[in-house]
Amino acid sequence: DSGVTQTPKHLITATGQRVTLRCSPRSGDLSVYWYQQSLDQGLQFLIQYYNGEERAKGNILERFSAQQFPDLHSELNLSSLELGDSALYFCASRSADRGRGGELFFGEGSRLTVL
Amino acid sequence: SQQGEEDPQALSIQEGENATMNCSYKTSINNLQWYRQNSGRGLVHLILIRSNEREKHSGRLRVTLDTSKKSSSLLITASRAADTASYFCATPETSGSRLTFGEGTQLTVNP
Repeated sequence: DSGVTQTPKHLITATGQRVTLRCSPRSGDLSVYWYQQSLDQGLQFLIQYYNGEERAKGNILERFSAQQFPDLHSELNLSSLELGDSALYFCASRSADRGRGGELFFGEGSRLTVL
Repeated sequence: SQQGEEDPQALSIQEGENATMNCSYKTSINNLQWYRQNSGRGLVHLILIRSNEREKHSGRLRVTLDTSKKSSSLLITASRAADTASYFCATPETSGSRLTFGEGTQLTVNP
C-alpha cells in the first residue's frame, strides 16, 4: 500500500459526459502528480500541484482541469469525454524530503471507460 | 516523445534466469529511477540511481548507469514468476519536478 488513495477505481460513462477523479496523497506529501496511461500513449504526465498551486503542466487537454485543495487532496475533472479518453488515470505524490530524490508514490489508479 | 526508451519492449524467460532491461534517455539527468507495474495496478518505485553513481544494488536488483552513453540497465537475478510485470525507467525534468517515463519493458517469467 503506497498510501496514495484514488477513487473511484473503475468508472464507465458515455461520450460527452463529465467525471471527477479524486486523489488523496500520502500523509505529509505536498506534491500531487496526475498521469494518464493508455495502450497507445504510454504513461503521460498531465499536471502537478504543490501545496495547492499548479507547478507544472504536461499534455493535458483543455477539456481536462485539476485542482488541489487546502487539505491537499486533488481532483481531476474530465469533461466532454471522448472514446479516446478511456485510460488509466494515476495520481502520485512525492515526499517532501528532498533527500528521497524525487521518488513518486502511485495510487492504484482510476480506470475510465468511455462508451 | 518519451525521455526514456526501454529495450526490449517484451522479454520472456524461465524462472531462475536473469532478466536484463535497458533504458536510454536524451537529456542530462541528476538521477534515473526504475518502477515496476503489475498488470492494471499502480507503479511501484524499485530503485533510484544518481548521476554520480555507476552501479547500485537492491536485493536481486542491480542497476547500472552510464551517463556518457545516456543509458541505464536493470538486471533482475534469479527471476521468479512473481517478477512478471512491466518495468519502466523514469527521469526527472531539469527542474526536478515531474518524472518522464519510458514505454516500458513487459517481462514474463515462466514457471
